[in-house]
Amino acid sequence: AQKVTQAQTEISVVEKEDVTLDCVYETRDTTYYLFWYKQPPSGELVFLIRRNSFDEQNEISGRYSWNFQKSTSSFNFTITASQVVDSAVYFCALRMGGSEKLVFGKGTKLTVNP
Amino acid sequence: GAVVSQHPSWVICKSGTSVKIECRSLDFQATTMFWYRQFPKQSLMLMATSNEGSKATYEQGVEKDKFLINHASLTLSTLTVTSAHPEDSSFYICSARWTSGRSREQFFGPGTRLTVL
Repeated sequence: AQKVTQAQTEISVVEKEDVTLDCVYETRDTTYYLFWYKQPPSGELVFLIRRNSFDEQNEISGRYSWNFQKSTSSFNFTITASQVVDSAVYFCALRMGGSEKLVFGKGTKLTVNP
Repeated sequence: GAVVSQHPSWVICKSGTSVKIECRSLDFQATTMFWYRQFPKQSLMLMATSNEGSKATYEQGVEKDKFLINHASLTLSTLTVTSAHPEDSSFYICSARWTSGRSREQFFGPGTRLTVL
């Protein structure tokens, strides 16, 4: 069975702090894809990143970075120098290779206070 | 590119009425569309997978007769909540995928907030 666990339900930080959102996944497949989405209060899901199971390279995009470690089945997301506009619910998701289905974690609500 | 729209963005209806939600891929053709449901402060749960020209595939526990899905064209899928009740109040999100042969990535619509009184 596939499962995504986001243990942090809510996180609150002060602007300019760094924050890491954790994501742990479970799957027996060797080919799979991991995703992060941002859901601001408006509700629309914003795609942030996709990673396939064969690419463990960490990625940085501006203030965002992702750490993929197959050894611990984790795909953590770090926001550096957080801003108020980063306040949102962040979802980690998993999809098996050859499957259409996305399995979402329960999300982490991030509040960045000024 | 890869824009998905939903209409309406929010709807309030009386208990017992039916509500139709549209999902459109605006700049690409989508063989497959997906319907998700999200309760307040909860995750997205896949309700059904909709394939153009064929019957939708529903996830376990989702009532087919309650949530009617029609995918009549490569750019439009509709979800009809029949005889809606207050417990159907939720945020409904659709997504669409490119036609076969291309990426399996899903592009999400902005969601429809349904409130049943």
